[in-house]
Amino acid sequence: QKEVEQNSGPLSVPEGAIASLNCTYSDRVSQSFFWYRQYSGKSPELIMSIYSNGDKEDGRFTAQLNKASQYVSLLIRDSQPSDSATYLCAVNMNRDDKIIFGKGTRLHILP
Amino acid sequence: DAGVIQSPRHEVTEMGQEVTLRCKPISGHNSLFWYRQTMMRGLELLIYFNNNVPIDDSGMPEDRFSAKMPNASFSTLKIQPSEPRDSAVYFCASSLGSDRKAFFGQGTRLTVV
Repeated sequence: QKEVEQNSGPLSVPEGAIASLNCTYSDRVSQSFFWYRQYSGKSPELIMSIYSNGDKEDGRFTAQLNKASQYVSLLIRDSQPSDSATYLCAVNMNRDDKIIFGKGTRLHILP
Repeated sequence: DAGVIQSPRHEVTEMGQEVTLRCKPISGHNSLFWYRQTMMRGLELLIYFNNNVPIDDSGMPEDRFSAKMPNASFSTLKIQPSEPRDSAVYFCASSLGSDRKAFFGQGTRLTVV
C-alpha cells in the first residue's frame, strides 16, 4: 500500500465553483499534513498545513482532516483559472520527521 | 530571507559522468530533504538530514547516489556514474523541526544523455 494516495486527475471544475481534492494516508501515527501547489515547471509551494481533526480555513482554501479515517482534503472556493495546477498532499511521519508526498492531483479550472 | 537555493538550475551531462547538485537551506532550518520528481514516480524522498546528520537514506536508489551535509548551510547530492534513467528534477527542501513545514528550492533539472 502506498503511503500517501491521491487521484491523479485531471479534475475539471468550472470557474467560480468549489474544487475538492482528496488524499488518504497509511500511517496512523502521522501528525502533520500539508497541501502544496505546483505550477508546471515550478517548485512545490506550501499553501496549507493542518495538525488536528476538523477544518482549517485560510482565505478561499479549507483543509479538512479526519485522522480516524486517515483522510485529508482541500477545498478551494470560488475557483479561479489561476488555481489550475497540480496539488500535492504531504504527510509527516511523526516518529522520524520524514515528509512523504502523494503523486498529486491535476486541477483544471474551466473559464 | 532568500529561501532555499539550489544550483545549478539545469545540468546536461553524458552518461558515466559525475554530477554534483548543491543546496543552501533556509537559515535556521534544521531539517533538509532531497527529493527527485519524475512524471512516472512523482516526488520521491531520497534522503533527509536532521541537524546535519543523515537520518534516512532508504530512498536513495543505488550506491551511485550519495549525499552530504558538512554544515548547517550546505548540502550536496552526488551521482557517480550518472545514467540516462537519472534524468529528473531534483529538489532540495528545508524545514524547522517544530512545525515541519518544508520549503522548496527551485530545483535542478538533470538530463543525462
